[in-house]
Amino acid sequence: GAGVSQSPSNKVTEKGKDVELRCDPISGHTALYWYRQSLGQGLEFLIYFQGNSAPDKSGLPSDRFSAERTGGSVSTLTIQRTQQEDSAVYLCASSRGAREGNRKSPLHFGNGTRLTVT
Amino acid sequence: AQKVTQAQTEISVVEKEDVTLDCVYETRDTTYYLFWYKQPPSGELVFLIRRNSFDEQNEISGRYSWNFQKSTSSFNFTITASQVVDSAVYFCALYTSGTYKYIFGTGTRLKVLA
Repeated sequence: GAGVSQSPSNKVTEKGKDVELRCDPISGHTALYWYRQSLGQGLEFLIYFQGNSAPDKSGLPSDRFSAERTGGSVSTLTIQRTQQEDSAVYLCASSRGAREGNRKSPLHFGNGTRLTVT
Repeated sequence: AQKVTQAQTEISVVEKEDVTLDCVYETRDTTYYLFWYKQPPSGELVFLIRRNSFDEQNEISGRYSWNFQKSTSSFNFTITASQVVDSAVYFCALYTSGTYKYIFGTGTRLKVLA
């Protein structure tokens, strides 16, 4: 597709259930990022992929969070045993992952998945 | 450590006024990149501009202009003759090669009143 696609756009789940959030990056973009945005807050870095590997998982809030990327394309963010504090908008972004001359590739964001844990 | 500070949480202006959004960054890297993004009420983050640390040339694009000053570690964004459609949250971001992360500020909510 032309842009970053995320699904579902909205997810309501009960506390304790597992959820999977999907991100389909722009074709050809090697770098993929997950961020979390809580209501009225900034963007909290979660994890970064270059190809299928995740050199930096430092932003994952707890071991209930995990992510994978296959085929250098689609990524899935999984939250196990969801808690109410996990409620937020989860944003995925991709970039070429390489410099364009003297300019770093910008991130291109999807519309996000709004997760509500009840 | 890398950090981006947007001290202005919310700004309200009347249409046609000029407004400047401040961004101050911290990094020890000599090579870094700065970005501005707009997040309208619809929610999607839209890329506006990027700058690298070697390029202090200011830029103007229509009603938008950006002032990058390494001496003060600032990358400020000015909207001239603001319009209601400019109402959004604006984020400043920093990328350094050492971390591979794009570090975002907490955003400035701009409200342009008709």
